[in-house]
Amino acid sequence: NAGVTQTPKFQVLKTGQSMTLQCAQDMNHNSMYWYRQDPGMGLRLIYYSASEGTTDKGEVPNGYNVSRLNKREFSLRLESAAPSQTSVYFCASSEVSGFPYEQYFGPGTRLTVT
Amino acid sequence: AQSVTQLDSQVPVFEEAPVELRCNYSSSVSVYLFWYVQYPNQGLQLLLKYLSGSTLVKGINGFEAEFNKSQTSFHLRKPSVHISDTAEYFCAVSESVGRGSQGNLIFGKGTKLSVKP
Repeated sequence: NAGVTQTPKFQVLKTGQSMTLQCAQDMNHNSMYWYRQDPGMGLRLIYYSASEGTTDKGEVPNGYNVSRLNKREFSLRLESAAPSQTSVYFCASSEVSGFPYEQYFGPGTRLTVT
Repeated sequence: AQSVTQLDSQVPVFEEAPVELRCNYSSSVSVYLFWYVQYPNQGLQLLLKYLSGSTLVKGINGFEAEFNKSQTSFHLRKPSVHISDTAEYFCAVSESVGRGSQGNLIFGKGTKLSVKP
């Protein structure tokens, strides 16, 4: 039981390049989330998917797109990377969105945009 | 709108000393409160949560937190810390808007606990 897995672990992009961050969970959870973590800022929600087939914007969605490919997988795409998107990205999942369900986090992807 | 304030960005402490990490929240409705821990180069894991009932909540690794509604606080405590407790700790709040609703987590900015020998 791997929990939440993320690929890649590290990535360096040049400004304007695109990439997709992959996330998968094997806990049969319905809800999945993408956060970014910046020093001194805590975690901020980018997008979430309450259930398969639905996605919604979080606090900081600009510059990102998401796809809930199936119940297991939730990907985050940067179409044209900018230095402001340098961050650590975490994927999380929960049985159901909202109270009182715990979110389980992946190990993170460290992205640098030069 | 709800928000979470962690009053200390860094807390240095000696091994076996007690520690308190402070968290205050603001919300116009009932809330659910969480503490997560992040060890270096890892994701977050849940330490403890307050949903209802007893205001003193016990979590993993000897941590506990007390919900104080009048003070809108949810401070995290441990009576005796170990080197292995060195990590970043995040307080988070979710508004009580109903089961299965979009009560997403709002995180504080984190407190780095550094335990020295």
